[in-house]
Amino acid sequence: DTQMTQSPSTLSASVGDRVTITCRASQSISGELAWYQQKPGRAPKLLIYKASSLESGVPSRFSGGGSGTEFSLTISSLQPDDFATYYCQQYNTYPYTFGQGTKLEIK
Amino acid sequence: EVQVVESGGGLVQPGGSLRLSCAASGFTFTTYWMNWVRQAPGKGLEWVANINQDASARHFVDSVRGRFTISRDNAKNSVYLQMNSLRAEDTAVYYCARLTNSGLTDYWGQGTLVMVSS
Repeated sequence: DTQMTQSPSTLSASVGDRVTITCRASQSISGELAWYQQKPGRAPKLLIYKASSLESGVPSRFSGGGSGTEFSLTISSLQPDDFATYYCQQYNTYPYTFGQGTKLEIK
Repeated sequence: EVQVVESGGGLVQPGGSLRLSCAASGFTFTTYWMNWVRQAPGKGLEWVANINQDASARHFVDSVRGRFTISRDNAKNSVYLQMNSLRAEDTAVYYCARLTNSGLTDYWGQGTLVMVSS
């Protein structure tokens, strides 16, 4: 199975900060990586697909990058609505696997 | 508007069975794979199973293979997850989600809670 490792597990930041979350795959996933945002009691929401493509309707302050086995999600200027948990997922090989999540907290 | 709505969750004893349903609308159901993903209380996301457009292909995570089956009824725009031999570790919110041909999960339902406990 392809293991997905996110870091950090928890991130404390302030409104207006630039933050980056990283996701490392245990093997190459050919860029087939998605990022999701999840708020408590809610379903995950797709933000980024194919490592760097922004889903329609998602604010441009979100961006994704990386290739091979190292990927990142960057929020350029944190807004109050962005405090949530973020997950990466590879959809290159079965079983599709998620990272353990990064909880973004208000400092 | 794309919508997926899950139902069928509840409390079941260990070793019991439960069938989850997912009703889809707002898109051409017959052109999409469908997924089930689960989330144990306070934990992360775990992909469970998916099924292709004509049910000729199905995939499962190892921990449920042989106990869970996935099916769909294209006439009813619905997908199902039959869960047998349930264990405490199957306790989770189960999400139904749409899957593109490339494997991307793009739209999720709100989930249905399954609790396995005596």
